Amino acid sequence: SQELEQSPQSLIVQEGKNLTINCTSSKTLYGLYWYKQKYGEGLIFLMMLQKGGEEKSHEKITAKLDEKKQQSSLHITASQPSHAGIYLCGADRSGSARQLTFGSGTQLTVLP
Amino acid sequence: EPEVTQTPSHQVTQMGQEVILRCVPISNHLYFYWYRQILGQKVEFLVSFYNNEISEKSEIFDDQFSVERPDGSNFTLKIRSTKLEDSAMYFCASSVDVAGGKTQYFGPGTRLLVL
Repeated sequence: SQELEQSPQSLIVQEGKNLTINCTSSKTLYGLYWYKQKYGEGLIFLMMLQKGGEEKSHEKITAKLDEKKQQSSLHITASQPSHAGIYLCGADRSGSARQLTFGSGTQLTVLP
Repeated sequence: EPEVTQTPSHQVTQMGQEVILRCVPISNHLYFYWYRQILGQKVEFLVSFYNNEISEKSEIFDDQFSVERPDGSNFTLKIRSTKLEDSAMYFCASSVDVAGGKTQYFGPGTRLLVL
């Protein structure tokens, strides 16, 4: 089955630093979804990318999907403690977006 | 802002007992889903539901599991005879409003512990 690889598994940064999380698929994706999860809680939708080369930003978070639609990155500028959590990428493999396959997540800690 | 709600937040049950997890999807959404996350593992798709029938299901969703939309607002997941390995966080999600938006919005989850 198609796997999603996320890197790094965990990240500890000082407040104010920039960081990047990556999500890589072995096959072309129809869509890529980024979610944030606080430990033991639900998934909060961040952004969806569908087109090759697409880039979206919301506040200090920018997500990109490469031209081949196999790799996505999530970049946080000037990180804050509120950015701490687990970031998950979810892949739409079929185009219907009715069944998402998730990566293993990146645990982000932001030190004040 | 509309959100998906789930009850109960925590459920403890004995192995072999039946449990029903409840969800209220976002009101104008058409597709409903259940996912689970075993502690320390990935979020895994279980089932999608549309127009009062299962649309897709994973190999995890065997005969022990069933889903139902008993009324116009609730969406339930039933596990008939729970096993120890069913212990997990179960997430409900919904998607697809009349504009066709595909994003799945997740509820806060029900943590199920089978003893």
